[in-house]
Amino acid sequence: AQSVAQPEDQVNVAEGNPLTVKCTYSVSGNPYLFWYVQYPNRGLQFLLKYITGDNLVKGSYGFEAEFNKSQTSFHLKKPSALVSDSALYFCAVRDISNFGNEKLTFGTGTRLTIIP
Amino acid sequence: NAGVTQTPKFQVLKTGQSMTLQCAQDMNHNSMYWYRQDPGMGLRLIYYSASEGTTDKGEVPNGYNVSRLNKREFSLRLESAAPSQTSVYFCASSALGPPRTDTQYFGPGTRLTVL
Repeated sequence: AQSVAQPEDQVNVAEGNPLTVKCTYSVSGNPYLFWYVQYPNRGLQFLLKYITGDNLVKGSYGFEAEFNKSQTSFHLKKPSALVSDSALYFCAVRDISNFGNEKLTFGTGTRLTIIP
Repeated sequence: NAGVTQTPKFQVLKTGQSMTLQCAQDMNHNSMYWYRQDPGMGLRLIYYSASEGTTDKGEVPNGYNVSRLNKREFSLRLESAAPSQTSVYFCASSALGPPRTDTQYFGPGTRLTVL
């Protein structure tokens, strides 16, 4: 079985400060990992993904995430937060070792608020 | 290129009524998905279709049926709506390849209220 945990429902960060949104995962094999962002009354938008290779993945809008296999984590980061980063963020995982598994499992989401 | 489109955007039903949510994608993707989003529960997979002609149950399939009409279209049907089905419904699609990307692209959602 595959699962994702986002331990913080809400994260508040002052504008200009670095931000981190946490994600840990559980798979029996190897993971594909994703971050999505959702703005109010919109669908989810893809931010970045880890498939293989470099553990530091860079994505849209200046976001990056680091894959840490030993800690089974994939935290989302940005060096300097913008008010426009305020949104709901979802982490997702797929166990690629499970042949025929086409499904992503999503976390419960973290609401990020950037304070001016 | 519209991406993933969903109709309707909003719907109010009475308990016991039926309706079909429509989804279409113009990205030539193989796989399509239906999710529901509820506060504090994230996205939960209702049904998915890995390719045209196939459908499989997800995490919360009870009370729903799906049809993969062709490669572009994937509909979700509520035969007898219940208040517990009040939610926001999202359709998504992804490419199985080649090349396979696994990135899912989402529609704008349908906000459904069952009274």
